[in-house]
Amino acid sequence: GAVVSQHPSWVICKSGTSVKIECRSLDFQATTMFWYRQFPKQSLMLMATSNEGSKATYEQGVEKDKFLINHASLTLSTLTVTSAHPEDSSFYICSARDFDSSNQPQHFGDGTRLSIL
Amino acid sequence: GQQLNQSPQSMFIQEGEDVSMNCTSSSIFNTWLWYKQDPGEGPVLLIALYKAGELTSNGRLTAQFGITRKDSFLNISASIPSDVGIYFCAGQASRAGGTSYGKLTFGQGTILTVHP
Repeated sequence: GAVVSQHPSWVICKSGTSVKIECRSLDFQATTMFWYRQFPKQSLMLMATSNEGSKATYEQGVEKDKFLINHASLTLSTLTVTSAHPEDSSFYICSARDFDSSNQPQHFGDGTRLSIL
Repeated sequence: GQQLNQSPQSMFIQEGEDVSMNCTSSSIFNTWLWYKQDPGEGPVLLIALYKAGELTSNGRLTAQFGITRKDSFLNISASIPSDVGIYFCAGQASRAGGTSYGKLTFGQGTILTVHP
């Protein structure tokens, strides 16, 4: 159980385009999903907390207009990197926690490698 | 953002050796988690700890939640080549943290290399 699917796994696109990444909880409902960014040989840094039916909560220093988050259902959250530039190239990972629990751990997707040319 | 202090940063060991890594924090956490990440993939949960002093095993892995709730360690016994990867500790904020509830704070990671 507790499978989180992330799509696409790898994206290469030109500078200036927008890229959407999907995060789905396949066998459980998640009122809260989390989006992380990871640079090579570094740890995961939380970007934002995605709440179903409400606005996302962004960490300090993360531009909400740059990284648009939509959490329209209990099983899907999307992250859109708008007008992407080479410095946005990174490994983006989502995680989700089971809706009906106070102590269940987060389960992670397999990540999306984003490369902006 | 805040990070946990995880050590060592890297380890090079021979197959069959035991491994130990730990994390410390200036903050109290309700839950400690240990994840393993392979290259190009997301972290996979190894062990979750929910009570101070708790000692939990998962096969060759053993982890403990420190009594002060500010530290945790992970031991791997009789290492094998497939143990290679990056190990992360993570602390989960308490319910009393309000909007921070459920957020994870990660350690810097321990890169494990196992020589056959």
